[in-house]
Amino acid sequence: KAGVTQTPRYLIKTRGQQVTLSCSPISGHRSVSWYQQTPGQGLQFLFEYFSETQRNKGNFPGRFSGRQFSNSRSEMNVSTLELGDSALYLCASSYGHKEHTEAFFGQGTRLTVV
Amino acid sequence: KQEVTQIPAALSVPEGENLVLNCSFTDSAIYNLQWFRQDPGKGLTSLLLIQSSQREQTSGRLNASLDKSSGRSTLYIAASQPGDSATYLCAVGETSGSRLTFGEGTQLTVNP
Repeated sequence: KAGVTQTPRYLIKTRGQQVTLSCSPISGHRSVSWYQQTPGQGLQFLFEYFSETQRNKGNFPGRFSGRQFSNSRSEMNVSTLELGDSALYLCASSYGHKEHTEAFFGQGTRLTVV
Repeated sequence: KQEVTQIPAALSVPEGENLVLNCSFTDSAIYNLQWFRQDPGKGLTSLLLIQSSQREQTSGRLNASLDKSSGRSTLYIAASQPGDSATYLCAVGETSGSRLTFGEGTQLTVNP
């Protein structure tokens, strides 16, 4: 069974640009969550999508957005990039309901903003 | 707002030692608690998941316990090995477990 796949693995962008990250969950999982990891703030929750609907949202500015497709694949978009957006972005997938909530993470996308 | 604290922040032990990592959380109304390990520059690997109704879970040399009322969880690693060297993260799940609040992690080094 394939794990959670994130693409690309590494990305370098210039301040002011926008970026789209992709996450393919484990087959059968309908919940995809996104997290930002930085040395100063640790792991912080961005948002969660379940069956194409945003179900939970963290405390990030509106420049951070996401969506989920009918096959459960999810994309995260960051517009008007700032230097502080440099981070490891991780996505997690799970069944997302009842007792089946164990989260499985991808390898992450390392975003560097210069 | 849920806050998760992990103690110690770093730990260095000789190979073969048994060790305990601690995690505490401020709001006991949790859905579940999950322990992960993270190798440098990599994603998170799930180690153990404890549902809020459970007291402990075991997998191989790992045992995790949960005491909701006191807001604490421990991860016990038996007979540590150099390959166990990594950062261990505790995460509390809320609202059906889909939103995880993480601690800062414990960086473990097991010396041969």
